[in-house]
Amino acid sequence: GNSVTQMEGPVTLSEEAFLTINCTYTATGYPSLFWYVQYPGEGLQLLLKATKADDKGSNKGFEATYRKETTSFHLEKGSVQVSDSAVYFCALNRDDKIIFGKGTRLHILP
Amino acid sequence: DSGVTQTPKHLITATGQRVTLRCSPRSGDLSVYWYQQSLDQGLQFLIQYYNGEERAKGNILERFSAQQFPDLHSELNLSSLELGDSALYFCASSVFSGRDPFYNEQFFGPGTRLTVL
Repeated sequence: GNSVTQMEGPVTLSEEAFLTINCTYTATGYPSLFWYVQYPGEGLQLLLKATKADDKGSNKGFEATYRKETTSFHLEKGSVQVSDSAVYFCALNRDDKIIFGKGTRLHILP
Repeated sequence: DSGVTQTPKHLITATGQRVTLRCSPRSGDLSVYWYQQSLDQGLQFLIQYYNGEERAKGNILERFSAQQFPDLHSELNLSSLELGDSALYFCASSVFSGRDPFYNEQFFGPGTRLTVL
């Protein structure tokens, strides 16, 4: 069946460090892929998405590229800020179902 | 503020009881989604309604049901509650394009935290 695996957290980085959060997926066909972010005490917000192979989603300095050959959609940011501290969810959409990874908690230290 | 409102914010009840969670979508959004977030199951999609009709179904238990009313607000009914139903329940809304239900950005409410004792 369809599934999403993302790296376990928490991930702790210093401000201005480079961020990678790994996400791989298993799905039939060509799912759409998403990254959502959940700030403390809030609901989820769509961070970025990609709907086909080699698409790059980007928003607020974050980027992720849809890699069909490695079934991956890793999230990257060149220089993180304290305000990026949150939980990040990778998700896929296929056949009218959305499936989320377990989430990765990110702590950024000043 | 996403524009999606959910009530109540917190709900504490006992096993075997029934509760109703309420969601008002953003103005103009016809589509409403319900999600459950728990420590053991993670975040799961439950069900989607579009303009009053069920459009997509996820991992929703038979004890749970939902509906969307003519004014587009939605209610999620949870019955015969068990300890394992304790979770954060989110509602989201979107402008639904008529194709892929998750294609357009969803806007999430703040959630209702349900505690079953």
